Amino acid sequence: NAGVMQNPRHLVRRRGQEARLRCSPMKGHSHVYWYRQLPEEGLKFMVYLQKENIIDESGMPKERFSAEFPKEGPSILRIQQVVRGDSAAYFCASSPRDRGSEQYFGPGTRLTVT
Amino acid sequence: RKEVEQDPGPFNVPEGATVAFNCTYSNSASQSFFWYRQDCRKEPKLLMSVYSSGNEDGRFTAQLNRASQYISLLIRDSKLSDSATYLCVVNIGTGGFKTIFGAGTRLFVKA
Repeated sequence: NAGVMQNPRHLVRRRGQEARLRCSPMKGHSHVYWYRQLPEEGLKFMVYLQKENIIDESGMPKERFSAEFPKEGPSILRIQQVVRGDSAAYFCASSPRDRGSEQYFGPGTRLTVT
Repeated sequence: RKEVEQDPGPFNVPEGATVAFNCTYSNSASQSFFWYRQDCRKEPKLLMSVYSSGNEDGRFTAQLNRASQYISLLIRDSKLSDSATYLCVVNIGTGGFKTIFGAGTRLFVKA
């Protein structure tokens, strides 16, 4: 049973470009979460999605960030017009049941904005 | 006050030692609790869930004290491979959960 998959593992973007991060949850999991981790800091919740629905986006910056989890295909975290402060590790997690259950993490995407 | 607080450490212990971490949470509506470990520049990995009755998995024991609003993790017979950052996770919810990660406690086990 494959775990949570994320790609790319490393992404370099120049300021002003767009970054697209993809996440495929574990088989059988329909709940997806995105987190951001800055160097030497803890994980910060960004958004929680179920198939075709955003359930909680309270941790998402109001501008430039968006997320989706379509009926078919991976969940996408999209960052438009990236700035240096967006450089971080972005982790995706999935869970088999609702948000109170355990979450399993993917290997993360390390975004570097130059 | 942070919703979930952990002593950042670092805890430096010799191999074979017993070490304990605590994590306090402020919201009494917290519903479920977990311990994760995170190695440097890697993803967090689920270590164990935490139940009111306490639970044990090999050398690891987790406990929950709802009255005092803290959870604990005890590691017996520490191994070099236990060196990592340990994160406590609290799900707060009454009709819609919110997941809060502690900032982590760093453990170094030395030979």
